[in-house]
Amino acid sequence: RKEVEQDPGPFNVPEGATVAFNCTYSNSASQSFFWYRQDCRKEPKLLMSVYSSGNEDGRFTAQLNRASQYISLLIRDSKLSDSATYLCVALISGGGADGLTFGKGTHLIIQP
Amino acid sequence: DGGITQSPKYLFRKEGQNVTLSCEQNLNHDAMYWYRQDPGQGLRLIYYSQIVNDFQKGDIAEGYSVSREKKESFPLTVTSAQKNPTAFYLCASSIMAGLAKNIQYFGAGTRLSVL
Repeated sequence: RKEVEQDPGPFNVPEGATVAFNCTYSNSASQSFFWYRQDCRKEPKLLMSVYSSGNEDGRFTAQLNRASQYISLLIRDSKLSDSATYLCVALISGGGADGLTFGKGTHLIIQP
Repeated sequence: DGGITQSPKYLFRKEGQNVTLSCEQNLNHDAMYWYRQDPGQGLRLIYYSQIVNDFQKGDIAEGYSVSREKKESFPLTVTSAQKNPTAFYLCASSIMAGLAKNIQYFGAGTRLSVL
């Protein structure tokens, strides 16, 4: 059974702090990973892709631990605008268009 | 501008009625997808299509139907057989080759409610 698990939160974090949350996946055939950001009542938007050990884009860093089957997202110097739900997505190796599995998301609230 | 357009933004269905949600993309993507999202839940795949005139069932296809007569269009019909249709419906598309393959881009969604 394919599963991607995330702590639903909410994570309440003061502005300017660093926050990190994990995503665990059960299918060891998962090859690639994605973090999407979803604002309330909006569509998910791609934040980062992770194909190897990790990826960094400005204040955002994703790290992949294949041995423990988890991927983390770190947000530094958090902004009020970072408040959103963050969806973790795993792609099964060799999987076709139905090879993506979405987590239920982690809700992040940045407080002034 | 290139993108994925879903319409309508809000839709209301009466008991026993079929309704169709529109999804159009001008990104020249090969694959298109339909997902359903319920409150506090992850996205669940309804149907997907990788090529014109072909589509496959996802995890929760019962009560839904699709067509892919054109590359740009992938409409979803919610039939009367779907007993719990109230949800946020998201359409997505992706390319099927290259570095960006399988990265899905989403439309703004359609909120369907039952009257």
